[in-house]
Amino acid sequence: SAVISQKPSRDICQRGTSLTIQCQVDSQVTMMFWYRQQPGQSLTLIATANQGSEATYESGFVIDKFPISRPNLTFSTLTVSNMSPEDSSIYLCSVWDRVTEAFFGQGTRLTVV
Amino acid sequence: GQQLNQSPQSMFIQEGEDVSMNCTSSSIFNTWLWYKQDPGEGPVLLIALYKAGELTSNGRLTAQFGITRKDSFLNISASIPSDVGIYFCAGRSGNQFYFGTGTSLTVIP
Repeated sequence: SAVISQKPSRDICQRGTSLTIQCQVDSQVTMMFWYRQQPGQSLTLIATANQGSEATYESGFVIDKFPISRPNLTFSTLTVSNMSPEDSSIYLCSVWDRVTEAFFGQGTRLTVV
Repeated sequence: GQQLNQSPQSMFIQEGEDVSMNCTSSSIFNTWLWYKQDPGEGPVLLIALYKAGELTSNGRLTAQFGITRKDSFLNISASIPSDVGIYFCAGRSGNQFYFGTGTSLTVIP
């Protein structure tokens, strides 16, 4: 199974600022996903990170708010822009390579004050 | 996106008891997955199911792929305190994953 390193593990940020979350995988993977998980809730897909092209966003999520990069098959970043307290959540990176099922990073717990 | 219905939403059980939870969908899936999430961690894959009617075990955990392909079940036998956490089912269709609403399990020593 792939080993996923997600950074930072947690952060407390001021409203109006931006935070970039990194996801590094120890092997090349076909697909990388970004999820948001509100406290006590299930996982909500933000977008699929596409290598070398713009991410595919789910309904309710836009590129200006959640810009995503995926420069290669092992790395992706998610930026939460112009943060407000409503953005406080856990953000999760997930990978899938068609050989094994989806694996997750340890998550980034974001608190916006 | 589609969300799968899981029940029960939460469970409080005595250590040593068996646990059962299920997941239902309005759509058919060819792959059913069960994950466990510990506090402060990402979900960890427990069991993957690929065939209708399939019964697969992982230690004290047993999961079944429903015959209709619209549901799945997870059983935990002889629960222990470290079983505490949130259990999520997921259905995969191609490269799309759909997650359940989660079952929170508390084990009382």
